Amino acid sequence: AQSVTQPDIHITVSEGASLELRCNYSYGATPYLFWYVQSPGQGLQLLLKYFSGDTLVQGIKGFEAEFKRSQSSFNLRKPSVHWSDAAEYFCAVVLRGDDKIIFGKGTRLHILP
Amino acid sequence: GAGVSQSPSNKVTEKGKDVELRCDPISGHTALYWYRQSLGQGLEFLIYFQGNSAPDKSGLPSDRFSAERTGGSVSTLTIQRTQQEDSAVYLCASSFETGRMETQYFGPGTRLLVL
Repeated sequence: AQSVTQPDIHITVSEGASLELRCNYSYGATPYLFWYVQSPGQGLQLLLKYFSGDTLVQGIKGFEAEFKRSQSSFNLRKPSVHWSDAAEYFCAVVLRGDDKIIFGKGTRLHILP
Repeated sequence: GAGVSQSPSNKVTEKGKDVELRCDPISGHTALYWYRQSLGQGLEFLIYFQGNSAPDKSGLPSDRFSAERTGGSVSTLTIQRTQQEDSAVYLCASSFETGRMETQYFGPGTRLLVL
């Protein structure tokens, strides 16, 4: 079935540690790929997006993501997390020829002091 | 305005009542989207507008849900005869125009609780 999968519902890391959030998609053609963050009480904010070209995408707040076609993945990374990064992160796609966003179920990130 | 605004921020209603949720998009944005965020379903698309027309209503869960947009700006999502399963956060987003290249900017949402 066509889907966007975030295998980790919760992830806990220590402040200052590196982070990788996983995202896999299952569609016939490579969709457009996004990562959004939702902080407590806040709306969704776009971190980064990938349409084509360089497979390593830089985003806001020090985040980056790498598109790997062979693995149908678009994992989000940050070298050193800050307590303010605690939030829920959503991987999302827009299918080519479409306009609406299809979201994964989200990964909630917890930061240990 | 500075961003997408939604009202009310919270709404508690009784089962069977109708509710109206409002979205004010960013000024100049022609595309407007409604999504629903619920515990069981995650974030799901409901409907989008290009100007005042709605090319894609495929996400509306039942005929109790409707939306309109007038003047190419404000949109209202109406839920008739609310049910408890309608309890969710309803998110609105806008973009300069439709197209997968356009960034969608989200509002803070309306949290709906149906008792």
